[in-house]
Amino acid sequence: QVHLVQSGTEVKKPGKTGASVKVSCKASGYTFTDYGISWLRQAPGQGLEWMGWISTYSGNTIYAQKLQGRVTMTTDTSTSTAYMEVRSLSSDDTAVYYCARDVNYKFDSWGQGTLVTVSS
Amino acid sequence: QSALTQPASVSGSPGQSITISCTGTSSDIGGYNYVSWYQQHPGKAPKLMIYEVSNRPSGVSNRFSGSKSGNTASLSISGLQAEDEADYYCSSYTSSSTRVFGTGTKVTVL
Repeated sequence: QVHLVQSGTEVKKPGKTGASVKVSCKASGYTFTDYGISWLRQAPGQGLEWMGWISTYSGNTIYAQKLQGRVTMTTDTSTSTAYMEVRSLSSDDTAVYYCARDVNYKFDSWGQGTLVTVSS
Repeated sequence: QSALTQPASVSGSPGQSITISCTGTSSDIGGYNYVSWYQQHPGKAPKLMIYEVSNRPSGVSNRFSGSKSGNTASLSISGLQAEDEADYYCSSYTSSSTRVFGTGTKVTVL
């Protein structure tokens, strides 16, 4: 059974130089390097936004244009864990962040979500 | 990449059928058969309901069906049930190798 478990709630202050958040996503129940991972987020009361994708096999990434330069996705294949870091946080980054297994451009299994709050 | 366009809300009585549209462009929906649909209940993670336009994952009720014509995809729900009340999102692969979501539709069972 495919299972994606994400790290816990984060609270960050905006505007601080270098303010960033890093969310983890540990996969189990399948061979981690067989499928990519996409990261998505959902601001309060808003719709889903795709942030980017990482190949768990090669490490290649594709990021949404609006987040280019502020987001980095990585993996640790030894622990079957994917990571997503967002830098230069603002209140607009307050959202629930999800990882999802990306199989032929469909998201067939999702993590439970990680709430990131950016507030002074 | 602009979001795909969905109606904000759709409603129906139990047992009725409803259809949710999802309109994009030739660079996303119209160009590929990689359209998927997700159901999201409040406070929960989304759940895959339809993939590659019209395929249902194992365990999803056959009351859910998908189709596509040109730049518009559709999700139909027949025999509407109280448990179908949720938010629904479409998603498509794009010519930039990215993915794009729809604006979301709230389904209300009257």
